[in-house]
Amino acid sequence: QKEVEQDPGPLSVPEGAIVSLNCTYSNSAFQYFMWYRQYSRKGPELLMYTYSSGNKEDGRFTAQVDKSSKYISLFIRDSQPSDSATYLCAMSSPSGSSASKIIFGSGTRLSIRP
Amino acid sequence: KAGVTQTPRYLIKTRGQQVTLSCSPISGHRSVSWYQQTPGQGLQFLFEYFSETQRNKGNFPGRFSGRQFSNSRSEMNVSTLELGDSALYLCASRPHGQNTEAFFGQGTRLTVV
Repeated sequence: QKEVEQDPGPLSVPEGAIVSLNCTYSNSAFQYFMWYRQYSRKGPELLMYTYSSGNKEDGRFTAQVDKSSKYISLFIRDSQPSDSATYLCAMSSPSGSSASKIIFGSGTRLSIRP
Repeated sequence: KAGVTQTPRYLIKTRGQQVTLSCSPISGHRSVSWYQQTPGQGLQFLFEYFSETQRNKGNFPGRFSGRQFSNSRSEMNVSTLELGDSALYLCASRPHGQNTEAFFGQGTRLTVV
């Protein structure tokens, strides 16, 4: 079983819709959570970074963390065609030998239809 | 502030050859991590360097090695290339220590023929 599970998609929604992207994880030591956006042939771009349960909002993006369920989500409001990309969740633990290693989900391909 | 710079952007090598990839982190960042990205395996952690020392290593064979210089720039070397080494190699820099977000470069796309 992978430490981080993410539905690969593809996910296709109409422009203006609310998008929900999710990841589950098995390692309860994970305390730091990130979401990256990756366009084709580009490096991942950091969207959100959080280390606590609850919601964090930045513009049209909201990151949600539920540590009790080991479940994280990224919501995109008023989705735009320019949001079409692969979204990767990532997480790391605060201490121990693996503290510096970030574990990534496999990524969800998102397509916003005009 | 300049981002993470990786060179070269594209590379074609023959099986059995070796290759060196370079990464310049964001100014002031001391941690550099390397990842391999393939369609089948996703992003896999290779190793991380902090203050010229390897701090963590993923599950890759010894053909994959790296180093970091005093100016935090890092190089990754792959010897005896195999077809399966074809991938996007990504470098990420972090400000300091652990538990900080990572910023990625554009990657080096390596094709082994």
